[in-house]
Amino acid sequence: NAGVTQTPKFRVLKTGQSMTLLCAQDMNHEYMYWYRQDPGMGLRLIHYSVGEGTTAKGEVPDGYNVSRLKKQNFLLGLESAAPSQTSVYFCASRSLAGGPDTQYFGPGTRLTVL
Amino acid sequence: GQNIDQPTEMTATEGAIVQINCTYQTSGFNGLFWYQQHAGEAPTFLSYNVLDGLEEKGRFSSFLSRSKGYSYLLLKELQMKDSASYLCAVILRDYGQNFVFGPGTRLSVLP
Repeated sequence: NAGVTQTPKFRVLKTGQSMTLLCAQDMNHEYMYWYRQDPGMGLRLIHYSVGEGTTAKGEVPDGYNVSRLKKQNFLLGLESAAPSQTSVYFCASRSLAGGPDTQYFGPGTRLTVL
Repeated sequence: GQNIDQPTEMTATEGAIVQINCTYQTSGFNGLFWYQQHAGEAPTFLSYNVLDGLEEKGRFSSFLSRSKGYSYLLLKELQMKDSASYLCAVILRDYGQNFVFGPGTRLSVLP
């Protein structure tokens, strides 16, 4: 049981390049989230999904797209990277079964855009 | 809009007690979480409050007053390993039951 995993752990991009971040969870959770974390800003929600085939915008969705084709995977895409997207990205999953401690975070992806 | 405030930094001494405050103003409230985050790592769950009052969990306690939009995390018998950031987060009563996070409080525990 690996929990929530993220690929890659680190990446450096040039402005205008594209990439996809992969989040995978093996806990059969319904809800999945993508956050970015910047110094002094806390975690901010980019996009989220309440189930396979569904996605919705969070607080800071511009410049990102997501897909949830399989329940266990949630992909975050950057079509044309910008320096403002330099950040640490965390994926999280949560069960509909409720309970207070059912949001689990992946280890994070540190992205630098030059 | 959603707004959560926490002190940016705090310092305390090993063995002491520290209280980290969190105030929130959100449209809809379905509970408040505290997370611990060590540098370079993912947040991990510490505590959850949905009703007013104190929840105790070993050396950690968390308090909630919904009428005041206020919570605190109390850490007792501080250890060096408690040096970390502490994130306050409110879960909203919306479509995704989304979380709104505060900026985090960086706690340094000194010997």
